[in-house]
Amino acid sequence: GENVEQHPSTLSVQEGDSAVIKCTYSDSASNYFPWYKQELGKGPQLIIDIRSNVGEKKDQRIAVTLNKTAKHFSLHITETQPEDSAVYFCAASRAGGSYIPTFGRGTSLIVHP
Amino acid sequence: DAGVIQSPRHEVTEMGQEVTLRCKPISGHNSLFWYRQTMMRGLELLIYFNNNVPIDDSGMPEDRFSAKMPNASFSTLKIQPSEPRDSAVYFCASRPGGASYEQYFGPGTRLTVT
Repeated sequence: GENVEQHPSTLSVQEGDSAVIKCTYSDSASNYFPWYKQELGKGPQLIIDIRSNVGEKKDQRIAVTLNKTAKHFSLHITETQPEDSAVYFCAASRAGGSYIPTFGRGTSLIVHP
Repeated sequence: DAGVIQSPRHEVTEMGQEVTLRCKPISGHNSLFWYRQTMMRGLELLIYFNNNVPIDDSGMPEDRFSAKMPNASFSTLKIQPSEPRDSAVYFCASRPGGASYEQYFGPGTRLTVT
């Protein structure tokens, strides 16, 4: 089955700095990679996703990159704000698996004002 | 839309008691998922339904766990009897189907078994 590794487990930055979270996956057939943000006391919420036919996708201050050859993908947050503080999960999925995501273990991002 | 609704939000029970968690998915969504979240194991998929039919329950830890989806607007996850190691946050999520793969999570039920 798919295995998703996520690093770091904790990331502390100053407001305004950039934050990068990295994930690797094992199943070369995976072709859909969502990122979820989980705020304290809430369920995860999709913030951005990328499909394997593109290498990069941006949405305002967040961007994702995908390297299919190396089987790794990353989340980039620029100009971090205190409200970006949350746990971020990467995931990988594929058509043969009904696009059921295999989640990484999560990264706790702390943005200090 | 109200989003995915879960009840109760918090449940404290004694070992050996039956626990029932409830979920109302977003109207029109055709897939429903139950997850368990713990510090040790992260987010684990327990079971998922497609059009009210259980498709994959390989994540259900043991026979003490059961899930049902009697109709498109309601699902339950039951633990009987409960054990302290079942303490976790349980999430329900739904998905619209078609070309959308996004899962919409509920707020979760925090279960504590003493």
